[in-house]
Amino acid sequence: EVQLQESGPGLVKPSQSLSLTCSVTGYSITSNYWGWIRKFPGNKMEWMGYISYSGSTSYNPSLKSRISITRDTSKNQFFLQLNSVTTEDTATYYCARSGLLRFMDAWGQGASVTVSS
Amino acid sequence: DIQMTQSPASLSASLEEIVTITCQASQDIGNWLSWYQQKPGKSPQLLIYGATSLADGVPSRFSGSRSGTQYSLKISRLQVEDIGIYYCLQAYSAPNTFGAGTKLELK
Repeated sequence: EVQLQESGPGLVKPSQSLSLTCSVTGYSITSNYWGWIRKFPGNKMEWMGYISYSGSTSYNPSLKSRISITRDTSKNQFFLQLNSVTTEDTATYYCARSGLLRFMDAWGQGASVTVSS
Repeated sequence: DIQMTQSPASLSASLEEIVTITCQASQDIGNWLSWYQQKPGKSPQLLIYGATSLADGVPSRFSGSRSGTQYSLKISRLQVEDIGIYYCLQAYSAPNTFGAGTKLELK
């Protein structure tokens, strides 16, 4: 059974970078697609982007050049980096697996990140 | 970006009642539509994919349908464990976009 778990700092200062790790067990990240989604206070959900089985990436244009998703296949982990954060980036961040049909069938438990000085 | 207009925003229903949540896509998205349930304090869980296919382990009281660019999630007999927030997601074109969510409560 695939399991995903997010980890990283729960508090980030404005203008700094947010970095999260998604550790995957029970399934190789060299298959499928591995994405990041966030849920804002008030329940709005936003798809942020993914990294594919081959290492290619796709990002939400709303995040412009602030986002980067990378991976370490030797550790079966993938990573989110979001630069120049503001208080608007305060959210719960989820990592998830999706397949060719593009639905997300496995999610991490979520990591709450607050951006505040 | 494709807009997904989800309604209602909140819904109060009784046990055993039939509940329907809808998402209207701003353009044709085919069957690239999935539904998720998020229970309080938990991560989202897949309910329906391909607009109408039931995900593994999901009770058969959940069903999905499509009429043109309108998509519906139906709970045939509401149970206590169905309380939570429901989201639709279109994956026809990037960026994938979610509906605003429907908060389902017990009456």
